[in-house]
Amino acid sequence: AQSVTQLDSHVSVSEGTPVLLRCNYSSSYSPSLFWYVQHPNKGLQLLLKYTSAATLVKGINGFEAEFKKSETSFHLTKPSAHMSDAAEYFCVVSNTNAGKSTFGDGTTLTVKP
Amino acid sequence: SAVISQKPSRDICQRGTSLTIQCQVDSQVTMMFWYRQQPGQSLTLIATANQGSEATYESGFVIDKFPISRPNLTFSTLTVSNMSPEDSSIYLCSVNFGQGARDYGYTFGSGTRLTVV
Repeated sequence: AQSVTQLDSHVSVSEGTPVLLRCNYSSSYSPSLFWYVQHPNKGLQLLLKYTSAATLVKGINGFEAEFKKSETSFHLTKPSAHMSDAAEYFCVVSNTNAGKSTFGDGTTLTVKP
Repeated sequence: SAVISQKPSRDICQRGTSLTIQCQVDSQVTMMFWYRQQPGQSLTLIATANQGSEATYESGFVIDKFPISRPNLTFSTLTVSNMSPEDSSIYLCSVNFGQGARDYGYTFGSGTRLTVV
């Protein structure tokens, strides 16, 4: 069994300030973890992924996430928010043995000028 | 990563009718996944489609309502049958080329935005 919890449904930051989107997971197996971004009326885009290699994962657009097994967390961060970062973000856990993935409920990121 | 072509991109349908959504991948894949994203919600897995066998449905989804075909390793269809307004959602197909520790992540089609009136 696997599940993922995104701890904040909405996050609002000012442009130029740090971003933190929190994600906790549970999995019966060694999980693969992903962050996806969905801009309004657009498709899903992979930001970054953790697949049992380095625990600090760097993604596109300056985002990164750290896998912490002891805390079962995979929080997404960015040092400085940009207006174009405003979107919906999904944390995803997958058990690659079964192939299917479970999505978190999503976090809406708002960036204020 | 794969390139997925999904169609139609959107449709408005009458209740009681059925709509078939097509998903074409530019590479051969073993498993294809169908998701639903209801308005303002996250993605929910409907079923996993394996070539040469029946699809595996998640809890709350049944074959009579969402029949799936998987005739070959690059193509799948999802039909939304006997539609009602509650079926208004975005439907997405997805593939994952990863195996074991080499999980490359999921690639998603652009989605089909369905409105049932």
